[in-house]
Amino acid sequence: DIVMTQSPDSLAVSLGERATINCKSSQSVLYSSNRKNYLAWYQHKPGQPPKLLIYWASTRESGVPDRFSGSGSGTDFTLTITSLQAEDVAVYYCQQYFSTPPWTFGQGTKVEIK
Amino acid sequence: EVQLVESGGGLVQPGRSLRLSCAASGFTFDDYAMHWVRQGPGKGLEWVSGISWNSGAVDYADSVKGRFTISRDNAKNCLYLQMNSVKSEDTAFYYCARDFDRWLVQGYFDNWGRGTLVTV
Repeated sequence: DIVMTQSPDSLAVSLGERATINCKSSQSVLYSSNRKNYLAWYQHKPGQPPKLLIYWASTRESGVPDRFSGSGSGTDFTLTITSLQAEDVAVYYCQQYFSTPPWTFGQGTKVEIK
Repeated sequence: EVQLVESGGGLVQPGRSLRLSCAASGFTFDDYAMHWVRQGPGKGLEWVSGISWNSGAVDYADSVKGRFTISRDNAKNCLYLQMNSVKSEDTAFYYCARDFDRWLVQGYFDNWGRGTLVTV
């Protein structure tokens, strides 16, 4: 199974500042034939369902604000929130869908306001 | 608007059974594979099971294999999870999630329900 490891486990960022979350996979999730990284990011707020933010490592889901961006390739990925808003307080998860089953998630990163 | 509404959760004793349901609306249900994902208390997201659009392929996490059974009724736009021989470690919110594709391979989850709580 591919193990997904996120860092940090939590971070506190001032409103309007940048938040950066890292995700590392235990093996590459880059499919050589199509050059796509099988990596997604989700946002999970308390009492709400998880929400897809990013897929193929860097493609923003429809309706997701452009302050959210994904980058990286192979085994190392980053989710960046360029200007943190109050409504961005949540737990963020990366997920690989390259080698399934199982579909595996990182342990989550909790983002709070400083 | 895509809607996924889970039901069937509750308090169940260890060793007993429970069946979860997920009612889908707002999209063509049989165009998509579906999954169950859970979140235990104080824990992260854990994929539980998935099923292809035509029920031709099903997968399970090792932690539930042999105890849980996923199924779907495309005529009723409904996804199910039959949970047998439940254990305390099965205590969690259970979410149904839609795969972006119809086949049970290499898909991300583009829509999620609000979840139903199972307490063992």
